[in-house]
Amino acid sequence: DVKVTQSSRYLVKRTGEKVFLECVQDMDHENMFWYRQDPGLGLRLIYFSYDVKMKEKGDIPEGYSVSREKKERFSLILESASTNQTSMYLCASSSLSSGPYEQYFGPGTRLTVT
Amino acid sequence: QQQVKQSPQSLIVQKGGISIINCAYENTAFDYFPWYQQFPGKGPALLIAIRPDVSEKKEGRFTISFNKSAKQFSLHIMDSQPGDSATYFCAAGLISGGGNKLTFGTGTQLKVEL
Repeated sequence: DVKVTQSSRYLVKRTGEKVFLECVQDMDHENMFWYRQDPGLGLRLIYFSYDVKMKEKGDIPEGYSVSREKKERFSLILESASTNQTSMYLCASSSLSSGPYEQYFGPGTRLTVT
Repeated sequence: QQQVKQSPQSLIVQKGGISIINCAYENTAFDYFPWYQQFPGKGPALLIAIRPDVSEKKEGRFTISFNKSAKQFSLHIMDSQPGDSATYFCAAGLISGGGNKLTFGTGTQLKVEL
């Protein structure tokens, strides 16, 4: 079974702090994604990566950056957290070789910025 | 810009009834239409998916109906059960040249009552 793990289930940070959200997948998937999930807005893509050190902006990249130094790990960085970044953050991965459009999701990190 | 519109936002169905969730898309280049199911505290998981060259796909009690000319697709859950209570997301993607990205709808919270 594919497993996507996220470093924290719940996180509380203060406004202005630098925040790191970590995601690790164990299936050698090429593609990794970061979404945020908000009620009534669904899942919105922040950034994605189709290879190590490669990244592309999604639909809402402002205020975020990402890092992918190893194939299995994809980090989301909030350079200076703001209250409007309070949300559920979901990481996902997918493979080109088998069902490229099946994205496997982690359990999510609920981030609260106060 | 919301490229995939989903309705209704919430749905209550009696056990044994039919649940119907509708989605409409704008980009005619989309060529892959999955549905994801999300239980509380979990990440979304692929439920069923369809390509636009077929009008219907059935897997057990779950059926996708696809209307290419109307740019609409829907999920039907037959004989709905309390265990089907979850949030459902439709999505659309591009298999070729799309970078494996998916655009998600806003979600439908389904509750199946006894």
